[in-house]
Amino acid sequence: QKEVEQNSGPLSVPEGAIASLNCTYSDRGSQSFFWYRQYSGKSPELIMFIYSNGDKEDGRFTAQLNKASQYVSLLIRDSQPSDSATYLCAVASYNTDKLIFGTGTRLQVFP
Amino acid sequence: DTGVSQDPRHKITKRGQNVTFRCDPISEHNRLYWYRQTLGQGPEFLTYFQNEAQLEKSRLLSDRFSAERPKGSFSTLEIQRTEQGDSAMYLCASSSPDRGPEQYFGPGTRLTVT
Repeated sequence: QKEVEQNSGPLSVPEGAIASLNCTYSDRGSQSFFWYRQYSGKSPELIMFIYSNGDKEDGRFTAQLNKASQYVSLLIRDSQPSDSATYLCAVASYNTDKLIFGTGTRLQVFP
Repeated sequence: DTGVSQDPRHKITKRGQNVTFRCDPISEHNRLYWYRQTLGQGPEFLTYFQNEAQLEKSRLLSDRFSAERPKGSFSTLEIQRTEQGDSAMYLCASSSPDRGPEQYFGPGTRLTVT
């Protein structure tokens, strides 16, 4: 079992819709959870992080964490074609700062 | 703050040659990380530093790889006797735990071993 799992996609949504990206992790000691966006050929760009159960909102983005289910998600409201990218989920354990990444989900937003 | 910078941005080398990459973190960030990313995969952790101390190194990292951060500012990653399997994007990130757990990535160095 991979430590951080994501559906590779592509996930296709129409412009203006809500995109829902999901991630599961295997280490119950995981403490911090991050979402990065990566455009083709570019480096990852931090969107937001979460470490408490529940929801955290930042503009059009909402991260949701459920530690009991070992599940974290990212919702993108009012999706735009410029949101088309690969979204990486990353997890940090309690005793280390290293990030364990999933393979990413490719999102396509069509006009 | 200026962002994380990496040099060079691209490197093409022949198998068996040594290469060295440089990373300059965001100023006042005392933690610096190296990751490697291949096509279709997420970044894979290699090693990280707090100031000049190397705190953790991936078990996947062969002894051909070495990293240093001698003065607690910039860092170098050296790969000796490169192999075709070393072809990847090498990413550097930095953070300041006093301000939060966020790691910010530089633009990366793309290595091609021919």
